[in-house]
Amino acid sequence: DTAVSQTPKYLVTQMGNDKSIKCEQNLGHDTMYWYKQDSKKFLKIMFSYNNKELIINETVPNRFSPKSPDKAHLNLHINSLELGDSAVYFCASSLGLGGGEQFFGPGTRLTVL
Amino acid sequence: EDKVVQSPLSLVVHEGDTVTLNCSYEVTNFRSLLWYKQEKKAPTFLFMLTSSGIEKKSGRLSSILDKKELFSILNITATQTGDSAVYLCAVFYGGSQGNLIFGKGTKLSVKP
Repeated sequence: DTAVSQTPKYLVTQMGNDKSIKCEQNLGHDTMYWYKQDSKKFLKIMFSYNNKELIINETVPNRFSPKSPDKAHLNLHINSLELGDSAVYFCASSLGLGGGEQFFGPGTRLTVL
Repeated sequence: EDKVVQSPLSLVVHEGDTVTLNCSYEVTNFRSLLWYKQEKKAPTFLFMLTSSGIEKKSGRLSSILDKKELFSILNITATQTGDSAVYLCAVFYGGSQGNLIFGKGTKLSVKP
């Protein structure tokens, strides 16, 4: 059983399009996250949700919006995609917000042409 | 500015060698430090450290935190080719809900 799953695994799209990446966790965790990992492998947190409430919102463009229909899901919507959005996006979850172990999904490689 | 700095950025060793990876940090209101291993895909958790001087150990890997000098080390003894990966250090800090920042990682290559 996959603990944290993401779909799709690969996403290739044109500039200006709107796309979504889905994430689901079956661990019963209260907190979920979205990370962006650039070509230099630098991992940066974008958002976290705790019990459906946005907790950390780093300085990401407002073209990116997280949506959580329930605590097991945290989807990432991206509007008006730009070339610089190309990266691997990881979803993760943890039991709480205490800075403990996070379980990562397999990642979604987004390529914007 | 809050930051996490890992060194070296990359390291090449031979099987059987012992390596030490470093992570130093400057944050306000430190809460915990985490080590992750990232091979080709997602990072996987290794250790979480919150107290100084208490070594965490798992097989050939061990880690310790020094909250006075603001750093942590990750040791790997008797390295194997399967240890080749990027090792990431992250620090959870701040008040209220807190913040999380990752270092840029150390790329370890273990040659046969």
